[in-house]
Amino acid sequence: GQQVMQIPQYQHVQEGEDFTTYCNSSTTLSNIQWYKQRPGGHPVFLIQLVKSGEVKKQKRLTFQFGEAKKNSSLHITATQTTDVGTYFCAASGSARQLTFGSGTQLTVLP
Amino acid sequence: SAVISQKPSRDICQRGTSLTIQCQVDSQVTMMFWYRQQPGQSLTLIATANQGSEATYESGFVIDKFPISRPNLTFSTLTVSNMSPEDSSIYLCSVVPPTGLTYGYTFGSGTRLTVV
Repeated sequence: GQQVMQIPQYQHVQEGEDFTTYCNSSTTLSNIQWYKQRPGGHPVFLIQLVKSGEVKKQKRLTFQFGEAKKNSSLHITATQTTDVGTYFCAASGSARQLTFGSGTQLTVLP
Repeated sequence: SAVISQKPSRDICQRGTSLTIQCQVDSQVTMMFWYRQQPGQSLTLIATANQGSEATYESGFVIDKFPISRPNLTFSTLTVSNMSPEDSSIYLCSVVPPTGLTYGYTFGSGTRLTVV
């Protein structure tokens, strides 16, 4: 099955600093999704990227899908304490199952 | 998007016993997925539950250990059988909402299982 690598595993930032997490696949992805999991919570869908080179923005969050559809990134501008959590990328397979990246745990220091 | 009610939210079980986790969806969905998330780790797919047919298990997961039922398009159960401390994890069900993938997958709130 497909594998999705995600880095970094952990990131500590001061409030107001920017944050980026990266996902990479050895194979071309049909789409990539991003989820946020708050501590003690369950994954919540953020966005889906489908097109090569696609860029989508949600307020302070910017999502990119690489031209070759093998990598993706999530960038948060001016982090806030509400951004704390683990961010996962996930790729859907032929049977519609999701394969999750390893996640990046974001800590925002006030 | 779909709303999932997952029960129980947490449980502490004795080794050797079994626990059945239930997921009820507020709309009919074709496919339901069961995931395991070990402490501090990512989500790993256990199986895909299809209505009217046997579940499809991922490598490393077997039906005898994780039997799944899918009696209709809104409900599924996952049983963790003959539990050991290594089964201590969060178990989550997930569905593709009727509106499609554009709105992502919806997850239940999870069952936090501790085996002692």
